[in-house]
Amino acid sequence: EVQLLESGGGLVQPGGSLRLSCAASGFTFRSYAMSWVRQAPGKGLEWVSTIDDSGDNTYYADSVKGRFTISRDNSKNTLYLQMNSLRAEDTAVYYCASLVWLLWYFDFWGQGTLVTVSS
Amino acid sequence: DIQMTQSPSSLSASVGDRVTITCRTSQNVNSNLNWYQQKPGKAPKLLIYAASSLQSGVPSRFSGSGSGTDFTLTISSLQPEDFATYSCQQTYGTLFFTFGPGTKVDIK
Repeated sequence: EVQLLESGGGLVQPGGSLRLSCAASGFTFRSYAMSWVRQAPGKGLEWVSTIDDSGDNTYYADSVKGRFTISRDNSKNTLYLQMNSLRAEDTAVYYCASLVWLLWYFDFWGQGTLVTVSS
Repeated sequence: DIQMTQSPSSLSASVGDRVTITCRTSQNVNSNLNWYQQKPGKAPKLLIYAASSLQSGVPSRFSGSGSGTDFTLTISSLQPEDFATYSCQQTYGTLFFTFGPGTKVDIK
């Protein structure tokens, strides 16, 4: 059974940093591109970032480019999102999701972790 | 950027009803259009990929159609567990993803 388990969310002040993790199991993690997708309270889904299976290529939404860094450790089956210079508008539930390359859909999702940016 | 719209933004329906949700993109995305279901407090769940392919394990009452800029998600006979929000998603450019604003389906 595929499982994606996010952790690392919490309350942080504006300008602060946070690192999210996503532990994967039940599939060959190193063969999958992975992504982060967020959802602000009461709002729709917003793609944040994607990393390819090897970790060599990364992609970011304009809203987080230069502030967030996606990475992965295939030896640990873990995906990360380093979030710096956080703003109130980054407040959201952050989901990790596996991405099917070339068909471009997110087939498995974690349960999400809440990030709240507030003073 | 490719803009996405969904209609309606919400609808009320009864168990057994046929429900149709439309997603429209501002540019041609061929068949690169996917549909997700999300229930309150839960993660999204993939229903349809590549416009019309049913994800494994998803009931056959769900179907998708369309290509280019106009797409449709149909639930042939609404069941109690189908009350949720439905969102479309597409890909463009080097690698950017956009989700539609969502259509909330609730009980009449």
